[in-house]
Amino acid sequence: GDSVTQMEGPVTLSEEAFLTINCTYTATGYPSLFWYVQYPGEGLQLLLKATKADDKGSNKGFEATYRKETTSFHLEKGSVQVSDSAVYFCALSVGSVNKFYFGSGTKLNVKP
Amino acid sequence: NAGVTQTPKFRVLKTGQSMTLLCAQDMNHEYMYWYRQDPGMGLRLIHYSVGEGTTAKGEVPDGYNVSRLKKQNFLLGLESAAPSQTSVYFCASRDTLYYEQYFGPGTRLTVT
Repeated sequence: GDSVTQMEGPVTLSEEAFLTINCTYTATGYPSLFWYVQYPGEGLQLLLKATKADDKGSNKGFEATYRKETTSFHLEKGSVQVSDSAVYFCALSVGSVNKFYFGSGTKLNVKP
Repeated sequence: NAGVTQTPKFRVLKTGQSMTLLCAQDMNHEYMYWYRQDPGMGLRLIHYSVGEGTTAKGEVPDGYNVSRLKKQNFLLGLESAAPSQTSVYFCASRDTLYYEQYFGPGTRLTVT
Protein backbone atom coordinates (compact mmCIF):
# COMPACT_ATOMS: atom_id res chain seq x y z
CA GLY A 1 0.00 0.00 0.00
CA ASP A 2 0.89 3.68 -0.04
CA SER A 3 2.92 4.96 2.89
CA VAL A 4 5.45 7.50 4.07
CA THR A 5 8.38 6.96 6.42
CA GLN A 6 10.21 9.86 7.96
CA MET A 7 13.00 10.08 10.49
CA GLU A 8 12.02 10.07 14.10
CA GLY A 9 12.66 13.07 16.26
CA PRO A 10 13.13 15.13 18.08
CA VAL A 11 15.88 16.84 16.16
CA THR A 12 17.71 19.50 18.17
CA LEU A 13 19.90 22.01 16.37
CA SER A 14 21.61 25.28 17.14
CA GLU A 15 20.56 28.39 15.26
CA GLU A 16 22.19 28.65 11.79
CA ALA A 17 22.86 24.90 11.62
CA PHE A 18 22.06 22.84 8.52
CA LEU A 19 18.85 20.82 8.62
CA THR A 20 17.98 17.55 6.91
CA ILE A 21 14.83 15.57 7.65
CA ASN A 22 14.66 12.32 5.73
CA CYS A 23 11.48 11.12 4.06
CA THR A 24 10.95 8.04 1.90
CA TYR A 25 7.75 6.80 0.38
CA THR A 26 6.00 3.79 -1.14
CA ALA A 27 3.32 4.44 -3.72
CA THR A 28 1.46 2.36 -6.26
CA GLY A 29 0.93 5.19 -8.74
CA TYR A 30 2.55 8.55 -9.41
CA PRO A 31 2.23 10.52 -6.20
CA SER A 32 2.57 14.17 -5.45
CA LEU A 33 4.77 14.88 -2.44
CA PHE A 34 4.42 17.49 0.27
CA TRP A 35 5.98 18.86 3.39
CA TYR A 36 3.63 20.36 5.96
CA VAL A 37 4.61 22.22 9.13
CA GLN A 38 2.66 22.34 12.38
CA TYR A 39 3.40 25.02 14.95
CA PRO A 40 2.30 24.41 18.55
CA GLY A 41 -1.47 24.49 18.97
CA GLU A 42 -2.13 25.06 15.28
CA GLY A 43 -3.22 23.10 12.24
CA LEU A 44 -0.96 21.95 9.44
CA GLN A 45 0.33 24.48 6.92
CA LEU A 46 1.69 23.59 3.51
CA LEU A 47 5.42 24.28 3.40
CA LEU A 48 6.30 23.04 -0.09
CA LYS A 49 5.29 20.51 -2.70
CA ALA A 50 6.50 18.64 -5.80
CA THR A 51 4.19 16.99 -8.27
CA LYS A 52 6.55 15.01 -10.49
CA ALA A 53 9.96 13.37 -10.49
CA ASP A 54 12.97 15.73 -10.27
CA ASP A 55 10.78 18.67 -9.25
CA LYS A 56 12.22 20.79 -6.47
CA GLY A 57 9.83 22.43 -4.04
CA SER A 58 11.04 25.43 -2.08
CA ASN A 59 9.66 27.96 0.39
CA LYS A 60 11.05 30.11 3.23
CA GLY A 61 14.55 28.71 2.69
CA PHE A 62 13.39 25.09 2.82
CA GLU A 63 13.90 22.79 -0.15
CA ALA A 64 13.04 19.22 -1.11
CA THR A 65 13.61 17.34 -4.37
CA TYR A 66 11.34 14.57 -5.64
CA ARG A 67 13.69 11.62 -6.25
CA LYS A 68 11.86 8.80 -7.96
CA GLU A 69 14.92 6.53 -8.20
CA THR A 70 15.39 6.55 -4.42
CA THR A 71 11.68 7.19 -3.58
CA SER A 72 12.72 10.07 -1.35
CA PHE A 73 11.72 13.66 -0.62
CA HIS A 74 14.18 14.88 2.00
CA LEU A 75 13.64 18.32 3.55
CA GLU A 76 16.66 20.63 3.83
CA LYS A 77 17.43 24.12 5.04
CA GLY A 78 20.84 25.72 5.04
CA SER A 79 20.50 27.82 8.18
CA VAL A 80 17.69 27.19 10.66
CA GLN A 81 16.20 29.81 12.96
CA VAL A 82 14.54 29.53 16.35
CA SER A 83 11.25 30.35 14.62
CA ASP A 84 11.57 27.12 12.58
CA SER A 85 10.90 25.07 15.70
CA ALA A 86 7.83 22.99 14.85
CA VAL A 87 6.72 19.53 13.79
CA TYR A 88 7.31 18.67 10.13
CA PHE A 89 5.22 16.13 8.25
CA CYS A 90 6.05 14.50 4.96
CA ALA A 91 3.02 13.41 2.95
CA LEU A 92 2.07 11.92 -0.39
CA SER A 93 -1.15 12.06 -2.31
CA VAL A 94 -2.36 9.63 -4.91
CA GLY A 95 -5.49 8.97 -6.87
CA SER A 96 -8.26 11.13 -8.18
CA VAL A 97 -9.65 11.95 -4.74
CA ASN A 98 -6.24 13.02 -3.49
CA LYS A 99 -5.99 10.82 -0.44
CA PHE A 100 -3.12 11.92 1.71
CA TYR A 101 -0.77 9.61 3.57
CA PHE A 102 1.30 11.25 6.28
CA GLY A 103 4.53 10.34 7.97
CA SER A 104 4.60 10.28 11.75
CA GLY A 105 6.11 13.76 12.00
CA THR A 106 9.52 15.02 13.08
CA LYS A 107 9.78 17.57 15.85
CA LEU A 108 12.48 20.17 15.31
CA ASN A 109 13.86 22.19 18.21
CA VAL A 110 16.18 25.07 17.35
CA LYS A 111 18.17 26.58 20.20
CA PRO A 112 19.53 30.14 20.17
CA ASN B 1 -11.43 34.60 4.15
CA ALA B 2 -11.56 32.50 7.28
CA GLY B 3 -10.34 29.42 5.39
CA VAL B 4 -11.17 26.23 7.26
CA THR B 5 -12.72 26.57 10.71
CA GLN B 6 -13.58 23.89 13.26
CA THR B 7 -16.02 23.90 16.15
CA PRO B 8 -15.46 23.28 19.04
CA LYS B 9 -11.75 23.71 19.81
CA PHE B 10 -11.81 21.50 22.89
CA ARG B 11 -14.26 18.96 24.31
CA VAL B 12 -14.33 16.41 27.09
CA LEU B 13 -16.79 13.54 26.82
CA LYS B 14 -17.66 10.61 29.01
CA THR B 15 -17.65 7.12 27.54
CA GLY B 16 -20.90 6.48 25.70
CA GLN B 17 -21.78 10.11 25.07
CA SER B 18 -22.29 11.44 21.57
CA MET B 19 -21.16 14.61 19.86
CA THR B 20 -20.74 16.27 16.48
CA LEU B 21 -17.70 18.16 15.24
CA LEU B 22 -18.35 20.87 12.67
CA CYS B 23 -15.99 21.82 9.87
CA ALA B 24 -16.72 24.82 7.66
CA GLN B 25 -14.80 26.18 4.68
CA ASP B 26 -15.40 29.36 2.72
CA MET B 27 -13.19 28.58 -0.28
CA ASN B 28 -15.88 26.80 -2.30
CA HIS B 29 -13.84 23.59 -2.22
CA GLU B 30 -15.40 20.38 -3.47
CA TYR B 31 -13.34 17.91 -1.44
CA MET B 32 -13.32 17.74 2.35
CA TYR B 33 -11.56 15.37 4.75
CA TRP B 34 -11.53 14.40 8.42
CA TYR B 35 -8.30 13.18 10.04
CA ARG B 36 -7.26 12.19 13.50
CA GLN B 37 -3.80 12.87 14.87
CA ASP B 38 -2.30 10.63 17.52
CA PRO B 39 1.20 10.84 19.02
CA GLY B 40 3.80 9.15 16.84
CA MET B 41 1.28 8.20 14.16
CA GLY B 42 0.93 11.24 11.98
CA LEU B 43 -2.53 11.94 10.60
CA ARG B 44 -4.91 9.19 9.58
CA LEU B 45 -7.89 9.68 7.29
CA ILE B 46 -11.27 8.93 8.88
CA HIS B 47 -13.79 9.89 6.16
CA TYR B 48 -13.85 12.15 3.17
CA SER B 49 -16.27 13.75 0.74
CA VAL B 50 -15.87 14.58 -2.94
CA GLY B 51 -18.87 16.87 -3.09
CA GLU B 52 -22.15 17.91 -1.50
CA GLY B 53 -24.20 14.88 -0.53
CA THR B 54 -21.30 12.39 -0.86
CA THR B 55 -19.19 10.63 1.78
CA ALA B 56 -16.68 7.79 1.75
CA LYS B 57 -14.64 5.81 4.26
CA GLY B 58 -10.98 6.46 4.85
CA GLU B 59 -8.35 4.49 6.71
CA VAL B 60 -9.94 4.46 10.20
CA PRO B 61 -13.73 4.97 9.83
CA ASP B 62 -15.04 2.72 12.61
CA GLY B 63 -16.97 4.51 15.34
CA TYR B 64 -17.50 7.66 13.25
CA ASN B 65 -20.17 8.92 10.88
CA VAL B 66 -20.12 11.95 8.60
CA SER B 67 -22.51 14.08 6.62
CA ARG B 68 -22.07 16.70 3.87
CA LEU B 69 -25.50 18.27 3.47
CA LYS B 70 -24.05 21.60 2.38
CA LYS B 71 -20.95 22.11 0.26
CA GLN B 72 -19.27 24.32 2.83
CA ASN B 73 -19.85 22.05 5.85
CA PHE B 74 -18.57 18.61 6.77
CA LEU B 75 -19.79 17.10 10.05
CA LEU B 76 -18.09 14.32 11.98
CA GLY B 77 -20.22 12.41 14.49
CA LEU B 78 -19.35 10.11 17.34
CA GLU B 79 -22.45 8.15 18.34
CA SER B 80 -20.99 6.44 21.42
CA ALA B 81 -17.61 7.83 22.39
CA ALA B 82 -14.83 5.52 23.57
CA PRO B 83 -11.49 6.37 25.25
CA SER B 84 -9.72 5.15 22.08
CA GLN B 85 -11.24 8.15 20.30
CA THR B 86 -9.26 10.58 22.44
CA SER B 87 -7.31 12.47 19.80
CA VAL B 88 -6.89 15.72 17.93
CA TYR B 89 -9.22 15.93 14.94
CA PHE B 90 -8.38 17.95 11.85
CA CYS B 91 -10.57 18.88 8.96
CA ALA B 92 -9.14 19.75 5.54
CA SER B 93 -10.41 20.82 2.15
CA ARG B 94 -9.14 21.23 -1.40
CA ASP B 95 -10.49 22.25 -4.76
CA THR B 96 -10.48 20.03 -7.84
CA LEU B 97 -7.57 21.70 -9.62
CA TYR B 98 -4.78 21.73 -7.08
CA TYR B 99 -3.31 18.97 -4.96
CA GLU B 100 -2.71 20.68 -1.65
CA GLN B 101 -5.14 20.40 1.22
CA TYR B 102 -5.93 23.27 3.57
CA PHE B 103 -6.28 22.39 7.23
CA GLY B 104 -8.37 23.74 10.08
CA PRO B 105 -6.89 24.48 13.54
CA GLY B 106 -8.05 21.19 15.06
CA THR B 107 -10.37 19.96 17.81
CA ARG B 108 -8.87 18.34 20.88
CA LEU B 109 -11.22 15.64 22.16
CA THR B 110 -10.77 13.74 25.41
CA VAL B 111 -12.98 10.78 26.25
CA THR B 112 -12.88 9.66 29.88
